[in-house]
Amino acid sequence: QQQVKQSPQSLIVQKGGISIINCAYENTAFDYFPWYQQFPGKGPALLIAIRPDVSEKKEGRFTISFNKSAKQFSLHIMDSQPGDSATYFCAASPWNRDDKIIFGKGTRLHILP
Amino acid sequence: GAVVSQHPSWVICKSGTSVKIECRSLDFQATTMFWYRQFPKQSLMLMATSNEGSKATYEQGVEKDKFLINHASLTLSTLTVTSAHPEDSSFYICSARDNLQGLHTDTQYFGPGTRLTVL
Repeated sequence: QQQVKQSPQSLIVQKGGISIINCAYENTAFDYFPWYQQFPGKGPALLIAIRPDVSEKKEGRFTISFNKSAKQFSLHIMDSQPGDSATYFCAASPWNRDDKIIFGKGTRLHILP
Repeated sequence: GAVVSQHPSWVICKSGTSVKIECRSLDFQATTMFWYRQFPKQSLMLMATSNEGSKATYEQGVEKDKFLINHASLTLSTLTVTSAHPEDSSFYICSARDNLQGLHTDTQYFGPGTRLTVL
């Protein structure tokens, strides 16, 4: 119940295309859903995050779509660029602010030039 | 934005020696810091939660005597890998949760990571 399932494991997208990464969770106590971007040899960097009270959040080319009833959320990268090539992790955190963040297994995204 | 630093960024040591990794929140206070371990092409594995002024909380399967954590101030946590062995070689990443005047926020900011290689 603590798991966050992320798919696909890897993704190849043409430059200018839309990259879509999906995540699903079981624990209804989760109420904070961040996405992290990690480049090789670097620590993860917070990309965008959403709470269950909204169904969509957009920041530049990055959009999170959230479906509370289905317990699913996804990251959409519009106009994907080679510089977006990285590993993306979805995550979820419960309402108890002292509790830990649960990470998905990650998606390795490669944008073809 | 909030910045977390780690030192050193990489370290090579001989088997049997101890290695200390520092994690600092540069522009915010963090009562809670987290230590992760990441193997190549895998997700982050939480090792322990570091609480300022108290003992760390270790995840199941993580040896507390092997991985010593000290959170001496609101901006510094250290991880010491004691008697390191080649199987301890990994990428160690810390994160800190921004804590403003007792109001918890959800955002965890990650450090750049420390690559440990034990020969």
